[in-house]
Amino acid sequence: SSELTQDPAVSVALGQTVRITCHGDSLRSYYANWYQQKPGQAPILIIYGNDNRPSGISDRFSGSSAGDTASLTITGAQAEDEADYYCNSRDSSGDHVVLGGGTQLTVL
Amino acid sequence: QVQLQESGPGLVKPSQTLSLTCTVSGGSMNNCECYWTWFRQRPGKGLEWIGNIFHSGSTDYNPSLKSRVVISADTSENQFSLKVNSVTAADTAVYYCARESYDYWRFDTWGQGTLVTVS
Repeated sequence: SSELTQDPAVSVALGQTVRITCHGDSLRSYYANWYQQKPGQAPILIIYGNDNRPSGISDRFSGSSAGDTASLTITGAQAEDEADYYCNSRDSSGDHVVLGGGTQLTVL
Repeated sequence: QVQLQESGPGLVKPSQTLSLTCTVSGGSMNNCECYWTWFRQRPGKGLEWIGNIFHSGSTDYNPSLKSRVVISADTSENQFSLKVNSVTAADTAVYYCARESYDYWRFDTWGQGTLVTVS
């Protein structure tokens, strides 16, 4: 069930900064997590708890959250950052998983 | 470090039951306050959460699939499974198993995925 809303596609020039957003009422109460998925590969966790990076994830990736919107920022985008990005959280009750529809990032 | 690996038939006939298993290695399912989860991704589409099973054995399912899906666990084998019955071509997808950690509800570990074709 997709109760988180993402822009379907975003583009960024090589080396520039891009923000990918995720909207949902439950984000006022619950953390957002972000995943990167490249073609033919499984998703990987890149941001958790709104703004934490797992070990091994580039510091080009950062996260933030305010109100009903969580954001993933890629600073100095590289060609290898071209991928689909998904956000997830819990619904307003905290009982169920919610997932964004994904944003396809193109690096120009 | 925990790793997940999906296994099962890559081809299922329409109206039959799709059955997949996810084997957990590098850690015990019993020692993890985790939700053991199934996702799928239809060709060219986004991720779809199918459902999960908590370490206590309770389950939760996507309402759109709930009537056809069962997730179970065999902690003695360190495995959890997915069954989808009455499949159609619309169930053709790459199926992923994943671990959702209780802190932050993050999916921190994923299997590599397995393609199941209904034909």
